[in-house]
Amino acid sequence: RKEVEQDPGPFNVPEGATVAFNCTYSNSASQSFFWYRQDCRKEPKLLMSVYSSGNEDGRFTAQLNRASQYISLLIRDSKLSDSATYLCVVNRNAGNMLTFGGGTRLMVKP
Amino acid sequence: NAGVTQTPKFQVLKTGQSMTLQCAQDMNHNSMYWYRQDPGMGLRLIYYSASEGTTDKGEVPNGYNVSRLNKREFSLRLESAAPSQTSVYFCASRVARTGLFYGYTFGSGTRLTVV
Repeated sequence: RKEVEQDPGPFNVPEGATVAFNCTYSNSASQSFFWYRQDCRKEPKLLMSVYSSGNEDGRFTAQLNRASQYISLLIRDSKLSDSATYLCVVNRNAGNMLTFGGGTRLMVKP
Repeated sequence: NAGVTQTPKFQVLKTGQSMTLQCAQDMNHNSMYWYRQDPGMGLRLIYYSASEGTTDKGEVPNGYNVSRLNKREFSLRLESAAPSQTSVYFCASRVARTGLFYGYTFGSGTRLTVV
């Protein structure tokens, strides 16, 4: 089983739609959680950290469920510019290394 | 601030040739990492350096060596390139604190093709 698993998609949605991605992780000791965004042929960029109580940044909402070991990302009012691959990221252990999921591709259509 | 700078951006090597990928960060981060990204495989850790003077193997270290030259610079060397090393290589850095919410900052990547 992979340490961090994501549905690769693609998710094809119309502009204005709400879309949600889930991610599961296997290491119950993980403490740091992130969502990264990666555009085609570009480097991954931090979208948002995921806090235990859940957090929101504009149209983006992240949730963490420690009991079930999954993380979610909700995007409201999708824009064409949201088209990208979204990477779920979890720290591997108490140290400083992060483990990346394979990514979920989102395509927002006009 | 430039953040994390990688050179070169593109490189084509012949099998058996050697080369060094350079990475430098100006954010005073302690930890630095080298990843490779292949289609369908996601990002895989090659080597990392938790702090200046230390380096450790990641998931896929075979065929690579690294040097943490100083706090700013972390280089990746391919001694004898193989076609299986064709990939996109990303360098990343991260501040090392006890706080849990600091992610990586990535460089823009090096696209390497070995023929």
